[in-house]
Amino acid sequence: EIVMTQSPATLSVSPGERATLSCRASQSVSGKLAWYQHKPGQAPRLLIYDTSTRPAGIPPRFSGSGSGTEFTLTISSLQSEDFAVYYCQQYNNWPPWTFGQGTKVEIK
Amino acid sequence: EVQLVESGGGLVQPGGSLTLSCAVSGFTFSTYWMNWVRQAPGKGLEWVANIKQDGSEKYYVDSVRGRFTISRDSAKNSLFLQMDSLRVEDSAVYYCARGRWATPFDYWGQGTLVAVSS
Repeated sequence: EIVMTQSPATLSVSPGERATLSCRASQSVSGKLAWYQHKPGQAPRLLIYDTSTRPAGIPPRFSGSGSGTEFTLTISSLQSEDFAVYYCQQYNNWPPWTFGQGTKVEIK
Repeated sequence: EVQLVESGGGLVQPGGSLTLSCAVSGFTFSTYWMNWVRQAPGKGLEWVANIKQDGSEKYYVDSVRGRFTISRDSAKNSLFLQMDSLRVEDSAVYYCARGRWATPFDYWGQGTLVAVSS
């Protein structure tokens, strides 16, 4: 099983600032890495897939990068609606499909 | 518009059973793998099970294998999760999510709450 580790657990950021979230896999996931945004009481939303591809409708302030076992989600200028929990997920080696434990982005 | 709507959650005693449903619309159900993912209180997301388009392949996380059964009915555009021998640690919000082989989960429902308690 591939273990996904996210850091930090909580990130305090002011609106308009940049946020950088990290995700590490216990072995290479060959770029098969996704990021999700999750707000309380809502469905999780796919933000990034294949490390750096945004689905239709995702704003360009969200960007993903990385390779091998190290990945990053960057939110270039935080908007009020971006405060949420973010999860990375690998879909290269399955089952199981594994998620990181999440990073909560909160208002500073 | 793609929609996934879960139902069937509730309060059940340890050792009991519950069946969750996920009604889908807005896409061709028979062309997608379907998944169940859960989130226990204060915890992160955990993939639980998934099923191939024709139901011929099913996979489970180790902690539920032998207790949970995933199934689907294309005529009803519905996904199911039969949960038996429930444990306190199965308490969570359960989400259904669609995907394809070796792809992420691109649409999710809003979840249904399962509470296992005496």
